[in-house]
Amino acid sequence: QKEVEQNSGPLSVPEGAIASLNCTYSDRGSQSFFWYRQYSGKSPELIMSIYSNGDKEDGRFTAQLNKASQYVSLLIRDSQPSDSATYLCAVNIRGRSGGSNYKLTFGKGTLLTVNP
Amino acid sequence: EAQVTQNPRYLITVTGKKLTVTCSQNMNHEYMSWYRQDPGLGLRQIYYSMNVEVTDKGDVPEGYKVSRKEKRNFPLILESPSPNQTSLYFCASRVGGGGQETQYFGPGTRLLVL
Repeated sequence: QKEVEQNSGPLSVPEGAIASLNCTYSDRGSQSFFWYRQYSGKSPELIMSIYSNGDKEDGRFTAQLNKASQYVSLLIRDSQPSDSATYLCAVNIRGRSGGSNYKLTFGKGTLLTVNP
Repeated sequence: EAQVTQNPRYLITVTGKKLTVTCSQNMNHEYMSWYRQDPGLGLRQIYYSMNVEVTDKGDVPEGYKVSRKEKRNFPLILESPSPNQTSLYFCASRVGGGGQETQYFGPGTRLLVL
């Protein structure tokens, strides 16, 4: 099983709709979960982090975490054309040596297109 | 301004000609790493460094070297580049610990090896 999996998309939504992006991960010991946004040819930009089960809201973005199901999602409300980008799910997974060595492991990303 | 910088941003070279991509951060972060990003393969870690003089291989280290002589700098060295190293490279530095690390990326270096 891949360590972090995302639907590759593309996901297409109309302007003003809710976009829902999903991610599953393999390491039950993971404690930190992140969503990055990446515009074409640019560097990934951190938009949300979540550490506890439940929802975390920041403006139009809501991250949801369910550790029992090893599932993390990102909801984008009132989607705008400027939200069109690739969204990367990232999970801190314990390294092979264990202990406190965590490696940020990325999914391959979901391409989101918001149509005006 | 807190940032991670990389140079050069774009580079075209030929097979076998040694090159170095520099990376510098001004946030006093201990942990730094290099990634490459390729279509369909996502971000893959090349090397990382947990502190000065401490470096280790990531997932795809073949053909690369790194050094960490100072906390702020973490250069990536391609001693004999090959066309399969054509890629988009990102340097990153990390803050936090105990599984709650947050990582920040540089602007990227697009490399073409002919």
